[in-house]
Amino acid sequence: KAGVTQTPRYLIKTRGQQVTLSCSPISGHRSVSWYQQTPGQGLQFLFEYFSETQRNKGNFPGRFSGRQFSNSRSEMNVSTLELGDSALYLCASRQGADEKLFFGSGTQLSVL
Amino acid sequence: GENVEQHPSTLSVQEGDSAVIKCTYSDSASNYFPWYKQELGKGPQLIIDIRSNVGEKKDQRIAVTLNKTAKHFSLHITETQPEDSAVYFCAASMRARDDKIIFGKGTRLHILP
Repeated sequence: KAGVTQTPRYLIKTRGQQVTLSCSPISGHRSVSWYQQTPGQGLQFLFEYFSETQRNKGNFPGRFSGRQFSNSRSEMNVSTLELGDSALYLCASRQGADEKLFFGSGTQLSVL
Repeated sequence: GENVEQHPSTLSVQEGDSAVIKCTYSDSASNYFPWYKQELGKGPQLIIDIRSNVGEKKDQRIAVTLNKTAKHFSLHITETQPEDSAVYFCAASMRARDDKIIFGKGTRLHILP
């Protein structure tokens, strides 16, 4: 069974641009969560989608948004990029109500 | 909402010695406490978890203890090996269909030769 796939692996953007990150969960997993990882703050929860509906949201500004498609694939969008948005963005999937998260390798975003 | 504090942020131990990482949580309703290990260039991977109805759980060289009264839990790694070098994250959540899993800031563990 293939693991969680995130694309692209690396991304370089400039301030003010927007970016879209993609995540394909493990087959059969209907829940997808997104986390931002930075050296000083660890793993910070962005949001979680289940069956195309956002069921949890973290404390990030509205510039961060996401969506989930009928095949459970998810995208995350960040608009009007700021230097502080530079981070590793991790996607994790889980099966229904199971708490176990399976993470992808992440997308490393650099904002210049 | 839930807040998870993790200490220390960096830990160096001699190969063969034991390592202990500690976490505290704020929400007494939390009842699920996983630990994840992140190796360089990879996403975090679950290594062990514990539920609130259990005080201790062991898996080979790894063990986790939970003190619900004090709201803290710990990861213990015995007979450390070079491959134990990684970043370790603790987390907490309330086991429910719509819960979210909140992580600590991580501990970078160095195993010294």
